[in-house]
Amino acid sequence: EIVLTQSPGTLSLSPGERATLSCRASQSVSSSYVAWYQQKPGQAPRLLIHGASTRATGIPDRFIGSGSGTDFTLTVSRLEPEDFAVYYCQQYGSSPQTFGQGTKVEIK
Amino acid sequence: EVQLVESGGGLVQPGRSLRLSCAASGFTFDDYAMHWVRQVPGKGLEWVSGISWNSNNIVYADSVKGRFTISRDNAKNSLYLQMNNLGAEDTALYYCVKDISYIVAGNFDYWGQGALVTVSS
Repeated sequence: EIVLTQSPGTLSLSPGERATLSCRASQSVSSSYVAWYQQKPGQAPRLLIHGASTRATGIPDRFIGSGSGTDFTLTVSRLEPEDFAVYYCQQYGSSPQTFGQGTKVEIK
Repeated sequence: EVQLVESGGGLVQPGRSLRLSCAASGFTFDDYAMHWVRQVPGKGLEWVSGISWNSNNIVYADSVKGRFTISRDNAKNSLYLQMNNLGAEDTALYYCVKDISYIVAGNFDYWGQGALVTVSS
């Protein structure tokens, strides 16, 4: 199975700053089938990005997905207070679909 | 509005069984594949099982294969997970999740709030 490694584990930033989250796959992800989810405490995950770079319905354009092959990135261009959460990447190009271990974006 | 409401969670002894249900509304249920994804509180996400729109394609994680059975009833807009021979490693919050596709693509666009399963003697 494809192992996804997210870095950093924790990102400490201030509102208004740019967040860059990395997701590296142990082997190439076919057709860039990578998604990103946001999870806040006590809530279910929410889909942000699919197909590596396509924003899900209703997701603000400050969330930008990019990458291909084994290296993928989620960028939040300017952090809003509601963006502080845990972010997971997922690959669904190969069975079984797998998740990264998560990156926590916390307020500095 | 898409709603996925899980039920059937609870405390169960090791080796026993439990059946989770998920009631879906707000979308055409039989147009989409569905999944179960679990999460140990405070930990990461683990995909458990998926079922295509017509139940013709069913897949399981190795960790539950042979013990868990996913099924759906399109007439009742419901998804199920029969869990047998439960162990402590199955303790988690179980999410009912909608796929973006009718096949088991594994791209999840809506999640329920989860049903907590605790396996303990």
